[in-house]
Amino acid sequence: GAVVSQHPSRVICKSGTSVKIECRSLDFQATTMFWYRQFPKQSLMLMATSNEGSKATYEQGVEKDKFLINHASLTLSTLTVTSAHPEDSSFYICSARDGTRGYTFGSGTRLTVV
Amino acid sequence: SQQGEEDPQALSIQEGENATMNCSYKTSINNLQWYRQNSGRGLVHLILIRSNEREKHSGRLRVTLDTSKKSSSLLITASRAADTASYFCATDANTGNQFYFGTGTSLTVIP
Repeated sequence: GAVVSQHPSRVICKSGTSVKIECRSLDFQATTMFWYRQFPKQSLMLMATSNEGSKATYEQGVEKDKFLINHASLTLSTLTVTSAHPEDSSFYICSARDGTRGYTFGSGTRLTVV
Repeated sequence: SQQGEEDPQALSIQEGENATMNCSYKTSINNLQWYRQNSGRGLVHLILIRSNEREKHSGRLRVTLDTSKKSSSLLITASRAADTASYFCATDANTGNQFYFGTGTSLTVIP
């Protein structure tokens, strides 16, 4: 079946630094990928829709300059959390849409900003 | 808000009992999906029901969909301790590509 690989699974960074999270579709091409954030004991909130070869579409209230999304190829989207702060600590999950099989999710990245 | 609502927020039952979770959403949809998430882990896809379907079964899972009420329910029969997890509905809207999750139900099955 469709597989989405997300890396890293866990990352700890210092406040003020930037962190890049990768999301790869391994056996299919994904023109559209999605990035979600999940705080403890809460649901997944869609942050942005990543479109291959064009600018990402951000949900209301998500800072595009803070959460940089690049979707340079049909199999890779990256989310960079710039100038991270402790309040950015969260669980980030990507998903990719495979036209024939629907949405496939990565295993998530737990970000801790200290 | 982008999210649908789920109720109850938390549910605690004895092993062997049935668990029912409800989901309400806001927009017209292509399909609705249910996912399970163990604490701090990724998502596990459980079942997909299309907008033209009213009921679907998969093992101990039964999902219903009422598009007139914009609601869905997930029934887990003969629950097991291993079913303890959070359960989320998610909607694939028929406008745009977005895929939104409900607020989730935390299920605890007591052995």
